[in-house]
Amino acid sequence: GAVVSQHPSWVICKSGTSVKIECRSLDFQATTMFWYRQFPKQSLMLMATSNEGSKATYEQGVEKDKFLINHASLTLSTLTVTSAHPEDSSFYICSAISGSWYNEQFFGPGTRLTVL
Amino acid sequence: DQQVKQNSPSLSVQEGRISILNCDYTNSMFDYFLWYKKYPAEGPTFLISISSIKDKNEDGRFTVFLNKSAKHLSLHIVPSQPGDSAVYFCAVTPPQGGSEKLVFGKGTKLTVNP
Repeated sequence: GAVVSQHPSWVICKSGTSVKIECRSLDFQATTMFWYRQFPKQSLMLMATSNEGSKATYEQGVEKDKFLINHASLTLSTLTVTSAHPEDSSFYICSAISGSWYNEQFFGPGTRLTVL
Repeated sequence: DQQVKQNSPSLSVQEGRISILNCDYTNSMFDYFLWYKKYPAEGPTFLISISSIKDKNEDGRFTVFLNKSAKHLSLHIVPSQPGDSAVYFCAVTPPQGGSEKLVFGKGTKLTVNP
């Protein structure tokens, strides 16, 4: 299947700083990328849908100003956690769609964010 | 309210036996159901799916059963292998907008003992 990468794979930062996470589709063009968040022993929660060249669509309860999403090209989407706080510590996973079928949604390896 | 429920957080089976993972959902309008497998510190990988117009889909050792009247689906793995040890998420596509959106259950951690 297609490959999606995320960078960094883990990051530790101080409270109040901003952290940027990159999601790249390595061998296909992704018109749509999704950002998920997973707490320990919890399900993956969809945060937002990112479409190339347009504003992201955020799920209810997700702060747009807190989690900035930019989908600058067909192979790159970024999630910036602004003014991070310890409660933002989580596992963030992106996925990318290469076609219109559900089973063509490919997931990145995830990024572990720890805010001290 | 959880739309997708995986009530067993963990399951342990012996190598060679059958693993049965269960998933219940709340909305009869869900039309596509998927199972993902996830190893620690990795993203989920697609395993198998089923459309609401079917009640069974098989792919090698993996079979998914859908019982629409009970709003229940299950994943059968037979024979189970130690490499199947992972967390399994069931996911559905919600009926309201965004056909690619997935709603996940909390996952069931499967351990296959040699």
